[in-house]
Amino acid sequence: SQKIEQNSEALNIQEGKTATLTCNYTNYSPAYLQWYRQDPGRGPVFLLLIRENEKEKRKERLKVTFDTTLKQSLFHITASQPADSATYLCALAGGYNKLIFGAGTRLAVHP
Amino acid sequence: EAGVAQSPRYKIIEKRQSVAFWCNPISGHATLYWYQQILGQGPKLLIQFQNNGVVDDSQLPKDRFSAERLKGVDSTLKIQPAKLEDSAVYLCASSFGSGAEAFFGQGTRLTVV
Repeated sequence: SQKIEQNSEALNIQEGKTATLTCNYTNYSPAYLQWYRQDPGRGPVFLLLIRENEKEKRKERLKVTFDTTLKQSLFHITASQPADSATYLCALAGGYNKLIFGAGTRLAVHP
Repeated sequence: EAGVAQSPRYKIIEKRQSVAFWCNPISGHATLYWYQQILGQGPKLLIQFQNNGVVDDSQLPKDRFSAERLKGVDSTLKIQPAKLEDSAVYLCASSFGSGAEAFFGQGTRLTVV
């Protein structure tokens, strides 16, 4: 069955450093891969979308890579700030563009 | 632009009772999703509509859950009868098309006691 894996353990980093989050998937051939941010008690908020024929996408301090051979996406936040602390969700859209999510990784940025 | 509206915000019911959630997507969005999010987990897709047709409902427990999207706009999700394990946040989202960025509502927190 289709599976999306994200680091279940929280990622703790120091302010100013680069945070790197990983998303691996199996039994799936997504046409799109998306990243969302979710704060406690709120719905997820869209951050970036990358297509299967794209290797990398950037938006301000955010960068996403997509390797369809490794079936992996990396999400980077450069010059991280305490305000970046949240849970980050990876989502895949494949057959019929059904949008499915991973469990998310909690990021904590310490001053 | 108005966002995705959901109601109620919170609901507490006893097991075996029924409950309904309502969602009004962003105007013009053809795709509507219902997700169940249990504390500490990612959103689990229950059903996905394209206009008023169902794209996927493979994870919807059809013996107790039902959903409809009349006229391809608003949607309701119903649980009857509720079980303790249905306690979760129910999120509605919409997008311009399948695969496009999804916009989420604030969710309905359901507690079944």
